[in-house]
Amino acid sequence: EPEVTQTPSHQVTQMGQEVILRCVPISNHLYFYWYRQILGQKVEFLVSFYNNEISEKSEIFDDQFSVERPDGSNFTLKIRSTKLEDSAMYFCASMRGTYSNQPQHFGDGTRLSIL
Amino acid sequence: QKEVEQNSGPLSVPEGAIASLNCTYSDRGSQSFFWYRQYSGKSPELIMFIYSNGDKEDGRFTAQLNKASQYVSLLIRDSQPSDSATYLCAVRGGGTSYGKLTFGQGTILTVHP
Repeated sequence: EPEVTQTPSHQVTQMGQEVILRCVPISNHLYFYWYRQILGQKVEFLVSFYNNEISEKSEIFDDQFSVERPDGSNFTLKIRSTKLEDSAMYFCASMRGTYSNQPQHFGDGTRLSIL
Repeated sequence: QKEVEQNSGPLSVPEGAIASLNCTYSDRGSQSFFWYRQYSGKSPELIMFIYSNGDKEDGRFTAQLNKASQYVSLLIRDSQPSDSATYLCAVRGGGTSYGKLTFGQGTILTVHP
């Protein structure tokens, strides 16, 4: 069964550095998402991406964050000038369409640790 | 602010029993409702989804939706120790939400032998 793949599985970075988290969505999916989950907290929406542009973003997704689909397969989340509070699990998800019966499929996540 | 509420638990049931997990949501325009299972340190795994009022069954799992009461539930029959996990309720809004999911905080389920 096709799946969403994320790399790396764990990223350790010094505060103030830039990180890029990578995702390969399921090939025939059109909608792409990033979520994050701080340890012990709920899964939070960051951003949705459709037709090569951001379709919706949360209050969390400020100028520190950016997303890109540089080619036909990868979907990346860049975090500039990382802060301690950016430490979390980051999940990529993809969905074929927005019909009610279309679920989002999640990748295994990247654990980001900011030191 | 659109919210999804779950009892955080923990909910403890004996092996073989029925586990009942509940979720309420605030956005009346919500269209689809999803139950994900999450093991510690892992990603959410889709169990099932529902978008019409009533019940939907898939194996040992039954999802129930009542839009008038803004309530969705998940029943797990013949619970097994391997069902022990956190269960996340997620709601997808309508309109121009582009499929964004709003998650509850999750209910921790423990199935003891």
